[in-house]
Amino acid sequence: DIVVTQSPESLAVSLGERATINCKSSQNVLYSSNNKNYLSWYQKKPGQPPKLLISWASTRESGVPDRFSGSGSGTDFTLTISSLQAEDVAVYYCLQYYSSPRAFGQGTKVEIK
Amino acid sequence: QVQLVQSGTEVKKPGASVKVSCKASGYTFISDDINWVRQATGQGLEWMGWMNPNTGETVYAQKFQGRLSLTRDTSITTAYMELTSLTYEDTAVYFCAKGSGQPIDPWGQGTVVTVSS
Repeated sequence: DIVVTQSPESLAVSLGERATINCKSSQNVLYSSNNKNYLSWYQKKPGQPPKLLISWASTRESGVPDRFSGSGSGTDFTLTISSLQAEDVAVYYCLQYYSSPRAFGQGTKVEIK
Repeated sequence: QVQLVQSGTEVKKPGASVKVSCKASGYTFISDDINWVRQATGQGLEWMGWMNPNTGETVYAQKFQGRLSLTRDTSITTAYMELTSLTYEDTAVYFCAKGSGQPIDPWGQGTVVTVSS
């Protein structure tokens, strides 16, 4: 089974500053036949279902602000919020959908410093 | 638009079972898997399993083997999650979400399940 490890557990960033979250998969999630990384990022706020931000490691979903970006390939991935806004306070999760069982990272809580 | 609507809040006693429904609309129900994910208070997202509505095939996380049953009724485009032998640790918000071989999305609104004596 693929294990997904996120870091850090939490981070506090000043408004307008950059936030960086890391996600490491225990196995490669790059499917060679289509050159796609089966890794997505979600934003979770209390009382709401998770919101899909990034799919295929780096494809921003429609309507997601361009301050959110995803990068990485194979086993190492990063979610970057380039200029943190107050509404970005949330817990962020990565998910591998390369194989079953699917696996989420442990989550990273982003707060305002 | 694609929509998943879940059944309402449940309160169960330890040892009981709970069955949560997930009504799908806006797409061909049998064309995509339904996943189930839960979040206990103060904890992270936990993937429980998926079901292929076309074939009925299921895959369960090891942790829930023997206690979890995912089923569907294609005539009413509804998926079900049944969890048996409930303990206090099963108190959580349970989500259904669409997706197979692609990002899991969209999600249902969540169903609160409370296990209390």
